[in-house]
Amino acid sequence: GIQVEQSPPDLILQEGANSTLRCNFSDSVNNLQWFHQNPWGQLINLFYIPSGTKQNGRLSATTVATERYSLLYISSSQTTDSGVYFCAGTGSGGSYIPTFGRGTSLIVHP
Amino acid sequence: NAGVTQTPKFRILKIGQSMTLQCTQDMNHNYMYWYRQDPGMGLKLIYYSVGAGITDKGEVPNGYNVSRSTTEDFPLRLELAAPSQTSVYFCASSLSGMDGRYTFGSGTRLTVV
Repeated sequence: GIQVEQSPPDLILQEGANSTLRCNFSDSVNNLQWFHQNPWGQLINLFYIPSGTKQNGRLSATTVATERYSLLYISSSQTTDSGVYFCAGTGSGGSYIPTFGRGTSLIVHP
Repeated sequence: NAGVTQTPKFRILKIGQSMTLQCTQDMNHNYMYWYRQDPGMGLKLIYYSVGAGITDKGEVPNGYNVSRSTTEDFPLRLELAAPSQTSVYFCASSLSGMDGRYTFGSGTRLTVV
């Protein structure tokens, strides 16, 4: 299966700052998704973004599947953005089972 | 819609005991998955199912069993619990392989002592 690398592994921000999280894949990727795991452990699907750009409030995501990467932008960060951000995707080899990255841990200080 | 419902939310088992983690979805999703997440780590796939009557192993299936008798339910069975199975377990579902949008349950925190 494909390999997924997320960067940075850890990120500490002051409230109001902007940030970019990156997800690199070892092969062309399908079904790319971004998730947020809040400090209580709940996993929320932020974006389903096989290609292109989507925006939802202060968050936006861009996927360039042929270049094997995706970016998650967080603008004007808030303390409620804290948690771990995971990306996941499926390879082009026929398996529909997503591979998850190890996550980016984000802490936003007030 | 309730989405993906997992029960129980918390459980403490003694070594050697058995239990079943329940997972139910009401979105008529074909694909269902079980993951475990160890502290500070990512998600590891235990088992998955692409439809009723069909199950397959993931990355870490040892010590677990699953069944999928209906589209809605995908229980995970732990036989002879071991401390290494202390983890948080997540169930997820997606409509299909082509539309792989995941919905996760709220998780079950299991401690084996």
